[in-house]
Amino acid sequence: TQLLEQSPQFLSIQEGENLTVYCNSSSVFSSLQWYRQEPGEGPVLLVTVVTGGEVKKLKRLTFQFGDARKDSSLHITAAQTGDTGLYLCAGVRNQGGKLIFGQGTELSVKP
Amino acid sequence: NAGVTQTPKFRILKIGQSMTLQCTQDMNHNYMYWYRQDPGMGLKLIYYSVGAGITDKGEVPNGYNVSRSTTEDFPLRLELAAPSQTSVYFCASSFSEGRGQPQHFGDGTRLSIL
Repeated sequence: TQLLEQSPQFLSIQEGENLTVYCNSSSVFSSLQWYRQEPGEGPVLLVTVVTGGEVKKLKRLTFQFGDARKDSSLHITAAQTGDTGLYLCAGVRNQGGKLIFGQGTELSVKP
Repeated sequence: NAGVTQTPKFRILKIGQSMTLQCTQDMNHNYMYWYRQDPGMGLKLIYYSVGAGITDKGEVPNGYNVSRSTTEDFPLRLELAAPSQTSVYFCASSFSEGRGQPQHFGDGTRLSIL
């Protein structure tokens, strides 16, 4: 069983469309991170959210941490082919705890 | 700045063989980690280290061993390779383990056990 459940697991869209990826848990997390991974490479950190209700924007990407710190979402506006990749959410439950990863969302943006 | 470097990038092993996956970082990070990534499963923590001479088990340590003799290096050893260890292995490092601290990943070692 996954402590962090991501949905959807696969997403194929056309360039210019909007999309949202969800990361849900029944546990509270002290912080949550989103990583992006391209084929043949390691994950690269996009953002960290630490406060319930926090919203962060990174160009066309908007990240939100749920009020209860049990869930997070990633919204991409006007997707581009360069957004293609595996998106991973990862959280820490308490101080000194290890990073727990969701299973990932494979995004394919077609021209 | 090289960051986290893993070698080799690819390897095929026969069942029962042993090998060491190498990982080195040049950021002077105290914390280092080994993960395995299987399709649809995200990353699972194998072992981690909080500094030279200190290592501890993660979620899936069986079949693996680690050592940390220097700050820079954190090799992962497979003693008796099994097909279940076919996976992509990632090494990562971080400055600390405080809330929200980023982990920096290498590009992975793709390992097949036949």
